[in-house]
Amino acid sequence: DGGITQSPKYLFRKEGQNVTLSCEQNLNHDAMYWYRQDPGQGLRLIYYSQIVNDFQKGDIAEGYSVSREKKESFPLTVTSAQKNPTAFYLCASSIRGPGNTGELFFGEGSRLTVL
Amino acid sequence: AQRVTQPEKLLSVFKGAPVELKCNYSYSGSPELFWYVQYSRQRLQLLLRHISRESIKGFTADLNKGETSFHLKKPFAQEEDSAMYYCALIPAGFQKLVFGTGTRLLVSP
Repeated sequence: DGGITQSPKYLFRKEGQNVTLSCEQNLNHDAMYWYRQDPGQGLRLIYYSQIVNDFQKGDIAEGYSVSREKKESFPLTVTSAQKNPTAFYLCASSIRGPGNTGELFFGEGSRLTVL
Repeated sequence: AQRVTQPEKLLSVFKGAPVELKCNYSYSGSPELFWYVQYSRQRLQLLLRHISRESIKGFTADLNKGETSFHLKKPFAQEEDSAMYYCALIPAGFQKLVFGTGTRLLVSP
């Protein structure tokens, strides 16, 4: 079954802990993205990657880190430096950059709650 | 900076009524514009793109460069249109999608 898989679906962490959200795709897409979704704020771009071993900061990268060691994987680490980490996180991918078709394929999301 | 504004958080209409979801953008260049939709318990997905000038599920959207708007319209709303709708743009030369804050459409019987 092709698509984007995010895990875990729900995650709880204590303040001061780092946590890593997984995003895997088997669509053979070059580009991958992480968005944060908060009520009333829409989707805000955290990081994106156009190609393996390369990534760029989005609009709200502070307190987050990513890696792109494999084409199919783009994990997001929410560090203790992120001041307001409780949110819904969405991973997406596209064939190349979105400028080609504008179509991003999204995962089901991961809800992180900091206790 | 690029910005997408969707002024309505919630739009509630009756089945069969016309629908217009508003989207305004601020960008000095020529962006590409899109509408994404998220139905209940489904993933966010592309609905339509302005360059295709297409009609999907009865929805159309016209880019008005003078008013910097890209409103989504449907002449007769259906209950299955109830969803969260996001307007988005790609700034020219960039490889990222900028989303608006979203509008929840509720179509009542």
